[in-house]
Amino acid sequence: AQSVTQLGSHVSVSEGALVLLRCNYSSSVPPYLFWYVQYPNQGLQLLLKYTTGATLVKGINGFEAEFKKSETSFHLTKPSAHMSDAAEYFCAVSHASGGSYIPTFGRGTSLIVHP
Amino acid sequence: DVKVTQSSRYLVKRTGEKVFLECVQDMDHENMFWYRQDPGLGLRLIYFSYDVKMKEKGDIPEGYSVSREKKERFSLILESASTNQTSMYLCASSFFRGQSNQPQHFGDGTRLSIL
Repeated sequence: AQSVTQLGSHVSVSEGALVLLRCNYSSSVPPYLFWYVQYPNQGLQLLLKYTTGATLVKGINGFEAEFKKSETSFHLTKPSAHMSDAAEYFCAVSHASGGSYIPTFGRGTSLIVHP
Repeated sequence: DVKVTQSSRYLVKRTGEKVFLECVQDMDHENMFWYRQDPGLGLRLIYFSYDVKMKEKGDIPEGYSVSREKKERFSLILESASTNQTSMYLCASSFFRGQSNQPQHFGDGTRLSIL
């Protein structure tokens, strides 16, 4: 079975500060990992994904995440927060099982950016 | 760009009514999903489908059914709506059964209120 834990349902930062959103996963096989962002009244859109290869993954809007197998983590970071980054962020894990796959999502972290 | 279109952004129905939520994707994706999203609970999978006329139960299928008669369309049915089904419903699609490194593409959601 696979699961995802996002630490902190809300994270508050000042504009220009570092953004760090935490994600830990459990998976019995090598995982594929994703971060999605959801702006108010919209669906989710892909920020970045890790499949294989380089463990530091760069995504859209200046975000990046590092896959650390030993820590079973996939934390999302951005060096300098912008007001437009205020949104809900979801970490997800998926792997193939029986010819199909089911992604599992964390409960989400709401990012609040103060002026 | 992949487009996933949900037929309604907002819907108000009465207890006991049969409710249909429609979702259409335009990228020939094999996989389609229905989630409900509630504050603090993240996304919970209701049903998914990996092929026409195929369906699999997710984590919370009780009170729901689905239909996939054509590859591009996936319908969620509330057989007899109840107030505890008031929620945001999200449809998603992804490419190719078994390719677990493919991200999902989401619609903008339907906010359903059951009175």
